[in-house]
Amino acid sequence: DIVMTQSPDSLAVSLGERATINCKSSQSVLYSSNNKNYLAWYQQKPGQPPKLLIYWASTRESGVPERFSGSGSGTDFTLTISSLQAEDVAVYYCQQYYNTPMYTFGQGTNLEIK
Amino acid sequence: QVQLQESGPGLVKPSQTLSLTCTVSGGSISTGNYYWSWIRQPAGKGLEWIGRIYTTGSTKYNPSLKSRVTISVDTSKNQFSLKLSSVTAADTAVYYCARDGGAWFNYWGQGTLVTVSS
Repeated sequence: DIVMTQSPDSLAVSLGERATINCKSSQSVLYSSNNKNYLAWYQQKPGQPPKLLIYWASTRESGVPERFSGSGSGTDFTLTISSLQAEDVAVYYCQQYYNTPMYTFGQGTNLEIK
Repeated sequence: QVQLQESGPGLVKPSQTLSLTCTVSGGSISTGNYYWSWIRQPAGKGLEWIGRIYTTGSTKYNPSLKSRVTISVDTSKNQFSLKLSSVTAADTAVYYCARDGGAWFNYWGQGTLVTVSS
């Protein structure tokens, strides 16, 4: 299995400030034939299912605000929220789909307001 | 807009079989090149992919659960189902159904809590 490890487990950021969440995979999720990273990011608010934010490591899903961006390649990835809003309080998960269909998720990062 | 809704008992006794159904609306389960997955989340914990089915009936399961899981599909009812046998307290979780494009999950049900307890 590809193990996904996120850091930090918990993060507190002031409103309007930048939030950065990291995700590391135990092996590369970059598929050399198409140069795509098989990684997605989700946001989960309490009592709700996860919501897809980003796929292919950096492509925003339709309707996702531009303040959310994804970066990285190979084994190291980052989700950045450029200016934290109150509605961004949630748990964020990364997911690899390189080893389809044996999908695996990170353990989650709890983002709070400082 | 595709919508998914889980249904089934919220309480299952240890050693029994957990059975859930996901009803898909807003589109045919047979349309498009999609798989249909089950994912679970114990309280306060992360997400675990359980398995998926294609509308042909082809299935793939998480090896850690494979011996206890069966996923089936009923295209006439636009539903797919999960059976997990020999449950223990460790199987207590919120169970989600989701549309699986072979990569990410962009449609999810609201989730249903299943508690394993006598």
